[in-house]
Amino acid sequence: AQSVSQHNHHVILSEAASLELGCNYSYGGTVNLFWYVQYPGQHLQLLLKYFSGDPLVKGIKGFEAEFIKSKFSFNLRKPSVQWSDTAEYFCAVNGGYQKVTFGTGTKLQVIP
Amino acid sequence: DADVTQTPRNRITKTGKRIMLECSQTKGHDRMYWYRQDPGLGLRLIYYSFDVKDINKGEISDGYSVSRQAQAKFSLSLESAIPNQTALYFCATSDLRGKNIQYFGAGTRLSVL
Repeated sequence: AQSVSQHNHHVILSEAASLELGCNYSYGGTVNLFWYVQYPGQHLQLLLKYFSGDPLVKGIKGFEAEFIKSKFSFNLRKPSVQWSDTAEYFCAVNGGYQKVTFGTGTKLQVIP
Repeated sequence: DADVTQTPRNRITKTGKRIMLECSQTKGHDRMYWYRQDPGLGLRLIYYSFDVKDINKGEISDGYSVSRQAQAKFSLSLESAIPNQTALYFCATSDLRGKNIQYFGAGTRLSVL
């Protein structure tokens, strides 16, 4: 079975601060990894994904994530957050032909 | 038009009532899902379907049932609604060719009084 753990439930940052959200997964084989974002009052949408190849993947709005296989991690980063990044962020994993499993989410609040 | 459409968007109902939430998609995906979202609990999978003849329980299926009427339609029913089913419900679709990237509907906010 696959599982996902997000360490931070609620993060508060000032604008221009750097962001790193932790995500660890458990699965014994090859995985597809995702970060989704949910802006206030909206549905989830894909932020970035990792399938294979370069472990550093870039997504929309300046976000990036690094897949570290030895640590079973897929942390999300952004060098300088903006107020408009205020949202909830979900890490997700899909191993083999299984369904996608989501983490419990991290709420990011950016203070102007 | 949205690729994944959920109806209704908001619903208030009373304890014991039967309610159906509907989802339709135009993406041509074979896989469809129903999730509920509760504050602090993230997204929890209720039911999923990998094709029209395939229905599977998720982690919190008790009190819910589903129907996959066609590849494009996947309905969620609450046979006898109870207050702790008050939540935000999302339908999503994916396919293997797309590496299971999930596409979500706008959500249905359900309140059970």
